[in-house]
Amino acid sequence: GQNIDQPTEMTATEGAIVQINCTYQTSGFNGLFWYQQHAGEAPTFLSYNVLDGLEEKGRFSSFLSRSKGYSYLLLKELQMKDSASYLCAVGPGAAGNKLTFGGGTRVLVKP
Amino acid sequence: KAGVTQTPRYLIKTRGQQVTLSCSPISGHRSVSWYQQTPGQGLQFLFEYFSETQRNKGNFPGRFSGRQFSNSRSEMNVSTLELGDSALYLCASSHDRDYGYTFGSGTRLTVV
Repeated sequence: GQNIDQPTEMTATEGAIVQINCTYQTSGFNGLFWYQQHAGEAPTFLSYNVLDGLEEKGRFSSFLSRSKGYSYLLLKELQMKDSASYLCAVGPGAAGNKLTFGGGTRVLVKP
Repeated sequence: KAGVTQTPRYLIKTRGQQVTLSCSPISGHRSVSWYQQTPGQGLQFLFEYFSETQRNKGNFPGRFSGRQFSNSRSEMNVSTLELGDSALYLCASSHDRDYGYTFGSGTRLTVV
């Protein structure tokens, strides 16, 4: 199977930094994705890691270690609008354009 | 450019009925994937269509089916609805196996 584990919920203060971890037990995928999903809305793409290492994009950074089966999403200078669910997913693979998602981490930003 | 359009946004059906959901991908995208999202199971892959062919299928019963038309628009059908089919159904489109994977806003199906 492709177990993908993320913490269920995290709380942080506006202006702070939060790190959302994602661990997986799978192989044979092209890369690891992070999506943001506000309640009642569609997931929106945040980042895509193919190679090991850190990818930085503004306030958001994502890290991947394939050998450790581990990724994290780092959110800096938290804003109230960052309160959302963050989804980790792996894919696609040789079988097609399929992504396998973790259960998502709900982040609550408090003033 | 226009995003991924799903219709309808909300739907209420009775157990035993069937339902058809529609997804219009971003212009030029030939891959359309469908996902079911529930609070308990998260986002689960249903199937993917590419150039009118089902290329990949998830672990859902045969009551869940889909198709893709020559203009890349896709429909999914659920027959003999069960209460457990209540969920947000999301479709996502992309050119192919790349990271340009854009989700639609979803259809929220409630089965009563």
